[in-house]
Formats: sequence, C-alpha cells, structure tokens
Amino acid sequence: ETGVTQSPTHLIKTRGQQVTLRCSSQSGHNTVSWYQQALGQGPQFIFQYYREEENGRGNFPPRFSGLQFPNYSSELNVNALELDDSALYLCASSSGTSLNNEQFFGPGTRLTVL
Amino acid sequence: AQSVTQLGSHVSVSEGALVLLRCNYSSSVPPYLFWYVQYPNQGLQLLLKYTSAATLVKGINGFEAEFKKSETSFHLTKPSAHMSDAAEYFCAVSEAGNQFYFGTGTSLTVIP
Repeated sequence: ETGVTQSPTHLIKTRGQQVTLRCSSQSGHNTVSWYQQALGQGPQFIFQYYREEENGRGNFPPRFSGLQFPNYSSELNVNALELDDSALYLCASSSGTSLNNEQFFGPGTRLTVL
Repeated sequence: AQSVTQLGSHVSVSEGALVLLRCNYSSSVPPYLFWYVQYPNQGLQLLLKYTSAATLVKGINGFEAEFKKSETSFHLTKPSAHMSDAAEYFCAVSEAGNQFYFGTGTSLTVIP
C-alpha cells in the first residue's frame, strides 16, 4: 500500500509568482484535503476535494485554488504569492468524507516566498 | 466555528514519567476529536480519535485520551514516557462543512 506522497519537497518562489503543489493520495482514497502549516503553528484547513469537486473550504482567499483528478491525485495552486504564504503545505487523503474518517498525511512541501 | 486550545506549547517530562498534554475545544454539539503526532520533517500521524463511543479512547504507542463533555476537554496521556515520544502533538476537531481545526500544538521533550 503506497502512502500519501507530495512533490516537490522544497520550493523557493518570489513574491507575485504562482506555484503548483502536487499530491498523490493513498491507494483506495477518494478524498484529499490541503492544509497550510506556518512555522510554530498548527495546520490550517485550506480545502477538501471529493470526486473532483471542492467539498469544503477554510478561510483562504480565492488565489488558493485546487484540482482533483480522476485518479484522485490533487494539485494546490497559489497565485500572486505573498511573503506570508511561506509555510509547510500538507496534503491528507481519506476514504470518503465522513467527519470521523482518519486522514493520512503526506510529508509536506516546504514553500519559501522571498 | 470550532476552536481548539492546547495549553502549554512546550512540555518536558523525564523518561518514565507521566505524559499529560491538554486540549480543550469549543462546541455546542458533540464533536469528533483527534490527536495527531508530528515527528521532525514528517507528516502527521493519527494517535487516536473520539467518535462518541467510549469516552476513554486508547490509541497507538500506549497513548490514551478521555473525552469530558462537562469540561470540554480531551487531554492526552501516557503512563510512562519514552525517548521516542519526543515530537509535536496536535489536537484537532472536525465539524460539519468538512472543516478540520487543529490546535497550535504542544512540543514534548523527554529528558533521559
């Protein structure tokens, strides 16, 4: 059973640029959630995708967008990067959207915005 | 909206001593509650979860947590700390709308 994988591991961008982060869900999982974890903070929920549709969103501006593909992998896109977007971005997959489902997390992508 | 408060951003215990990590939540309805652990440079791993069954929940690695509705708490405990328990611990709650809220985390240090 393959776990959740994320790419790239690290990324450096400059303010105003755009970035795409990728996530492959665990085998058999059809739901992907994205989180932003700033240094010294807990993860903040960005949004969730289920069967290629957004299925819940946290308090993040529209420049944070996502996609989910038929194989349930997912992308997080961030436009017009700001310095405060520097963080660890975590992807988590689960089977279904039930609130008590265990989420399996990937190791994250460390984004630095200069 | 839900919120989760973890009291104590840093906790130090001696090896073999009791581990107690505190978590309080705000909710008007019984929530789903979780504890996750994060080791350096790794993603989060589920330790245990409360889903309205037994109030005392047993998890992996000898951890357990007790749901106390009257105190809106879900504290994590382990009778005897091991060096390998040193990590960051997060309490989380889920609610309708597929929102998942994490606390700010507690860093556990185990002193040999």
